[in-house]
This record gives sequence, structure tokens and C-alpha cells, in this order.
Amino acid sequence: SAVISQKPSRDICQRGTSLTIQCQVDSQVTMMFWYRQQPGQSLTLIATANQGSEATYESGFVIDKFPISRPNLTFSTLTVSNMSPEDSSIYLCSVSVNGVSEAFFGQGTRLTVV
Amino acid sequence: DAKTTQPPSMDCAEGRAANLPCNHSTISGNEYVYWYRQIHSQGPQYIIHGLKNNETNEMASLIITEDRKSSTLILPHATLRDTAVYYCIVRAPTNTNAGKSTFGDGTTLTVKP
Repeated sequence: SAVISQKPSRDICQRGTSLTIQCQVDSQVTMMFWYRQQPGQSLTLIATANQGSEATYESGFVIDKFPISRPNLTFSTLTVSNMSPEDSSIYLCSVSVNGVSEAFFGQGTRLTVV
Repeated sequence: DAKTTQPPSMDCAEGRAANLPCNHSTISGNEYVYWYRQIHSQGPQYIIHGLKNNETNEMASLIITEDRKSSTLILPHATLRDTAVYYCIVRAPTNTNAGKSTFGDGTTLTVKP
């Protein structure tokens, strides 16, 4: 299994500002994934983050809006840039541990943009 | 990844078995069925997965039809704490890509006293 810590757990931000969300894993993982869950909806994959390379973004998500860093095998950050109220969501990171085929999720960051 | 279809909501009496269906008629031969649940305001939690045989663990049982086009998650004795959104996902069991899943709308299970 893997224990994932996300920070912050929640935040209220002003429109036009940026927020960086951290995801720390207690073991080394090859790939980390960032999801968005808008109010009342299911999870949508934003991007896949590999260590040592640029993140791969899903359709509808761009690096300028959601820059991602992956400096090592246990850590990643997602920045939500130039926020608007439409960015109000829960943001979750997910990992899979080598040899285990199920995914583990962080508890999420609840972002409210006012 | 193949898509899945689940009923939007179900109710279950506390102490009774909860049977949550999932249709995955386009599942490929190498794709497994995974179940996760998300309790309000928390991250999704892995429950169980299987390929074609029925599986059981401490949380639930998974029944997969012979043609693999549908499956049922069974919570044998539902409690109030099992109230959550349950997601059925199908994907290949590549370890490094396990976190990359396509989530449908899931089934909101409400366990009632």
C-alpha cells in the first residue's frame, strides 16, 4: 500500500491568484496522477506526472493553467494558475505502487475560488 | 479503457447485503474490473478487483459473469459507514498506470437504519 499526504487539505483563494498543491508519498513510485473533481461530479484525470520528464496532460487541460512538477519519486506538485470560480473543485493525486495494480489516492485538496 | 455503466443510486437496509451492479460490455480480454468507493469529502478507496473468477476479501465480494460483460459488488452486511459513491472501473492491470483510471458517475449507495 501507499500513504499519500496532500497539502493543503483546503483553501479559499481570490480569483486571479495561483495555488500550489503538494502530494507526498511514503514510497517511491514511477507515476503520479492528478485528478479534479468538480462539485457533485466524478473524477476527471488532469495529467500524468513522471519523474524527470514533462507531465502528460489530458484533453482539456494545459500546462499553462495546471503546471506540474515531479522533482523526485516521492513528490509532486500541481499548481492551479490564474484561478477563477470555475476552478473550485477537489484536486486529488493518485499513485500506484510497483507490484500492486490498484491505485491509492490522497485525501484531496478542496479549493474554493472567490 | 472500456467504459462502464452503473445505476446512479441505490438504497440498502443496514445489516442487509448490498448488491451493486456494473455493466462493462466492451471490456477487453486483458482488462480487470476494479471497484473503488468514495466516502463524502475523502479520496477514493480501493475495494477489490478481478479478472474472471469471483473474488472475496475482507471488505466485499466481486461476482463477474462468465462473459465478463457485467459484474456485481456485494457488501455482505452493509453498515451506515458504507454509505458512499461506488465506482466500477475496467482497465489493464499495468502497475505503473494503475493510477490512470477513467471514472464514470458511479452509484451512490445509501445505507439506511
